This record gives sequence, C-alpha cells and structure tokens, in this order.
Amino acid sequence: RKEVEQDPGPFNVPEGATVAFNCTYSNSASQSFFWYRQDCRKEPKLLMSVYSSGNEDGRFTAQLNRASQYISLLIRDSKLSDSATYLCAFDTNAGKSTFGDGTTLTVKP
Amino acid sequence: DTAVSQTPKYLVTQMGNDKSIKCEQNLGHDTMYWYKQDSKKFLKIMFSYNNKELIINETVPNRFSPKSPDKAHLNLHINSLELGDSAVYFCASSQGARGYEQYFGPGTRLTVT
Repeated sequence: RKEVEQDPGPFNVPEGATVAFNCTYSNSASQSFFWYRQDCRKEPKLLMSVYSSGNEDGRFTAQLNRASQYISLLIRDSKLSDSATYLCAFDTNAGKSTFGDGTTLTVKP
Repeated sequence: DTAVSQTPKYLVTQMGNDKSIKCEQNLGHDTMYWYKQDSKKFLKIMFSYNNKELIINETVPNRFSPKSPDKAHLNLHINSLELGDSAVYFCASSQGARGYEQYFGPGTRLTVT
C-alpha cells in the first residue's frame, strides 16, 4: 500500500461549485498534516495546515480523521484562480515529509 | 527578497557530466530539504538537513551528494548524470525538522541529454 494516496483527478468543476478532495495515509505515526497548492511549472506553496479539530481559511476547510487515516480539503465557491494541483503532505515523528501525488483541479467559467 | 532561492533555474547537460545546484534560504530556518519531481509530477524527498546535519537520506543513488556549509545553504552535487536524472529539483526549508510547513524554492529544471 502506498504511504499516501490521492485521487489524481482531474476534477473539472464550474465556477461557484463546491469541491472536495481526500488524501489517505497509511502511517499511523503521522503527526502533522498539510495541504499545498502547486501551479503549473511552479513550486508547491503551503495552502493550509490541517489541525485535529479541523480548520477553515476563507473558502477552504481542512479536516483530519485519524480513525480512518485521511485528511480532506473542501473548497467552496470555486474561482478560476483555484485551478491548480493540490498536494497533501504529512510528517512523521522521524521528521520525514511525504507528499501525495496531487489532485488536479480545473475550474471552468 | 526571495525566501528560498535556487541556482540555476535551468540546467541542460549531457550524460556523464557532473553538475551542482545551489540553494539558499533567508528565512532563518533550521531545516532544509531536496526534493525531486519527475515528469509524472511525483514529489519525492531526497535529503533533509537540520542545523547542517543530515537527518533524512532516502534511497538515492550515491551519485547524489548534498552539502550544507551552513544553515542557510544546501547544495546538491550530482556525478555521472544519467537520463533518468532529468526532473525538477526543489529545495525547501522549514523552521524545524518536525511538524512545520515547508517553503519551496522555484525549482531547477534539469535536462540530461
């Protein structure tokens, strides 16, 4: 089983839609969780950390489900500018960072 | 005021050559990383340094040798380049070795011909 699995998509949604991505991880020792955004031919940039109680930043909501070992990202009211690849990432106690392979989102007018 | 910078941005070279990529961060972070992102966009950690000490060394051919002269710099030297080394190499840094978000450099696009 891969350490982290993401649905690669692509997700094609109209502007204004709500879209959700999941990311499952196999290492129960995972401690810290993140969502990154990567635009085409650019570097990954932190979108948000994922906290145990869930957290929200504007139109973005992140959730952690430790029992089922997955994190999720919900984007409300999608904008054209949200089109990108979304990478989940987690850290173990050993300090190793593992990234998912990314989910591609295209928001269409 | 680039936080994490890499040079060069593009590198085209022939098989068998030796090349280096340099990375610098001005964020005052303790931890730096090298990642490889291949043509399928998979981002894989190669090395991690904390306070100039190597802490993560994934299964990487020993043709790849990182070097951290100080906390702000992490360089990557690659010997005897192979076609399969073609990828984008990202440097990143974080405040500490565990549980901190990472800041990535713009990447070095390496093409081996």
